[in-house]
Amino acid sequence: EAQVTQNPRYLITVTGKKLTVTCSQNMNHEYMSWYRQDPGLGLRQIYYSMNVEVTDKGDVPEGYKVSRKEKRNFPLILESPSPNQTSLYFCASSANRVSYEQYFGPGTRLTVT
Amino acid sequence: GDSVTQMEGPVTLSEEAFLTINCTYTATGYPSLFWYVQYPGEGLQLLLKATKADDKGSNKGFEATYRKETTSFHLEKGSVQVSDSAVYFCALSKGNTPLVFGKGTRLSVIA
Repeated sequence: EAQVTQNPRYLITVTGKKLTVTCSQNMNHEYMSWYRQDPGLGLRQIYYSMNVEVTDKGDVPEGYKVSRKEKRNFPLILESPSPNQTSLYFCASSANRVSYEQYFGPGTRLTVT
Repeated sequence: GDSVTQMEGPVTLSEEAFLTINCTYTATGYPSLFWYVQYPGEGLQLLLKATKADDKGSNKGFEATYRKETTSFHLEKGSVQVSDSAVYFCALSKGNTPLVFGKGTRLSVIA
């Protein structure tokens, strides 16, 4: 089954404790991205990757890092989480940037206290 | 920059009512337009799309027509069901740019 998986689905952590949210897709997609979803603000893109070893900032990259060492994986790293990073995070992938249809993971709800 | 504006929610309808969710956009060039749907507890799914002016996208009884003259892509359904309760996002892309999303409109359908 074609899918994008994220782990963990729920995470409660404390300020400053480094964390990683994993994302994996099994569709051999080149393009992957991370979004955060906040009430009243909709979805905002954090980072995206056009292919292995190619990443770029989205609209709200501050406080986040990503890596793309393999085509299927695109982890999101919060080196020193802060309460304003409490949000719902989605990973997405598509065949290429011009493919339009993005496939979304189920989301990771992060709470930073 | 490019942007998408959706009608504010939440929208509450009775089953079998007619649905319209307004979406207008601002963009240079010729964007493609999309509606995504997010069911409770899930990620977004593509509902329908239109890639050029006057195109009509349709899926699952939903329709939207790309109106370049009014820069709009309103989502419509003739008879909603309880299972249509979700958050709906309008979005645009120019192919070589990331998707730009509206803020979403929550729809609740009551039996």
